[in-house]
Amino acid sequence: QQQVKQSPQSLIVQKGGISIINCAYENTAFDYFPWYQQFPGKGPALLIAIRPDVSEKKEGRFTISFNKSAKQFSLHIMDSQPGDSATYFCAASKTSGSRLTFGEGTQLTVNP
Amino acid sequence: KAGVTQTPRYLIKTRGQQVTLSCSPISGHRSVSWYQQTPGQGLQFLFEYFSETQRNKGNFPGRFSGRQFSNSRSEMNVSTLELGDSALYLCASSVSGDTQYFGPGTRLTVL
Repeated sequence: QQQVKQSPQSLIVQKGGISIINCAYENTAFDYFPWYQQFPGKGPALLIAIRPDVSEKKEGRFTISFNKSAKQFSLHIMDSQPGDSATYFCAASKTSGSRLTFGEGTQLTVNP
Repeated sequence: KAGVTQTPRYLIKTRGQQVTLSCSPISGHRSVSWYQQTPGQGLQFLFEYFSETQRNKGNFPGRFSGRQFSNSRSEMNVSTLELGDSALYLCASSVSGDTQYFGPGTRLTVL
């Protein structure tokens, strides 16, 4: 019940395209869903996060869509740029604790 | 504000040795969490400390331990190192366990 499943494992997108990464969770007690971006040799950096009381959150080119009934959430990167090439992780946790359960990661490549 | 800092950045040890990693959280943050990142297992939660007390613990053997000091700095220790302990060890800080900010990690190689 603690798993977070992430897909696809890898994604190749052309510059200017839309990148979409999906995650599904099992534990209905999860109520905080962040996305992290990680470049090689660096720690994960928080991109954007959402709580279940909203279905969508947008920050710049990054949008999280959240479907509570399906227990799924996704990251959309609009106008993808080569500088967005990185590994993206979804995660989930309970407000009452800080333990983040991570998805397996998606390696995004944006071709120029 | 300065970000989360971790020392050392790289470490090479041999099997059976022990190692101590250090993490300094963002100023004002009282929660420090540790994660292990490997290609096979991904990012896995080790433990969390808040106000010098372990508040949460992941599914790792007792060889993995940690502590937090009164200034919120934290250390984690791995005793009797095994080859499988080779990983990137990440520290994350937060105000009280909510939004977590990660450090650059310590790359541990066990030979």
